[in-house]
Amino acid sequence: SAVISQKPSRDICQRGTSLTIQCQVDSQVTMMFWYRQQPGQSLTLIATANQGSEATYESGFVIDKFPISRPNLTFSTLTVSNMSPEDSSIYLCSVRGDTQYFGPGTRLTVL
Amino acid sequence: GQNIDQPTEMTATEGAIVQINCTYQTSGFNGLFWYQQHAGEAPTFLSYNVLDGLEEKGRFSSFLSRSKGYSYLLLKELQMKDSASYLCAVRETTGGFKTIFGAGTRLFVKA
Repeated sequence: SAVISQKPSRDICQRGTSLTIQCQVDSQVTMMFWYRQQPGQSLTLIATANQGSEATYESGFVIDKFPISRPNLTFSTLTVSNMSPEDSSIYLCSVRGDTQYFGPGTRLTVL
Repeated sequence: GQNIDQPTEMTATEGAIVQINCTYQTSGFNGLFWYQQHAGEAPTFLSYNVLDGLEEKGRFSSFLSRSKGYSYLLLKELQMKDSASYLCAVRETTGGFKTIFGAGTRLFVKA
């Protein structure tokens, strides 16, 4: 199993600012995944983060808006840049093991 | 690409049995997950099927037919606390074994 922590757990931000979300895993993993869950919606994959290479983004998501870092095998960050109210969502970090494990999520509200 | 379909909402009575269906189309199948998600919380793992057949785990069972691209989650002896969203998710062999989620089924359990 994997235990995942995220910081911050929630934040309220102003339009036009940026927020960096941290994800820490208690074991080394090759791939980390970032998901977004907008209000009342299911989970949408933003990108897959490999250690030592650039993240792979899903259709509709771009690096300029959601830059990702993956400095080592237990840590990743997702930045939500130039935020607008439409970015208000829960952002979840996830890793693959015998199942798919999720962090507790970061609830972001953009005013 | 892939497509995952599940009913939007279902209602059932406490003590009854409910079956939530999921159909999927994917280019490279590597397993199907069911998750439970209560409002405001991260998804909780329920089951994982990679081979055809029925997996039983207490009150919850999950079935998979790979040839039909079909799965169901069966919940027995429903309790009020089972009111939640149930997410069907498919792991692909492409794109780093990413896991893609369906829109989720909101289950309401009534007394």
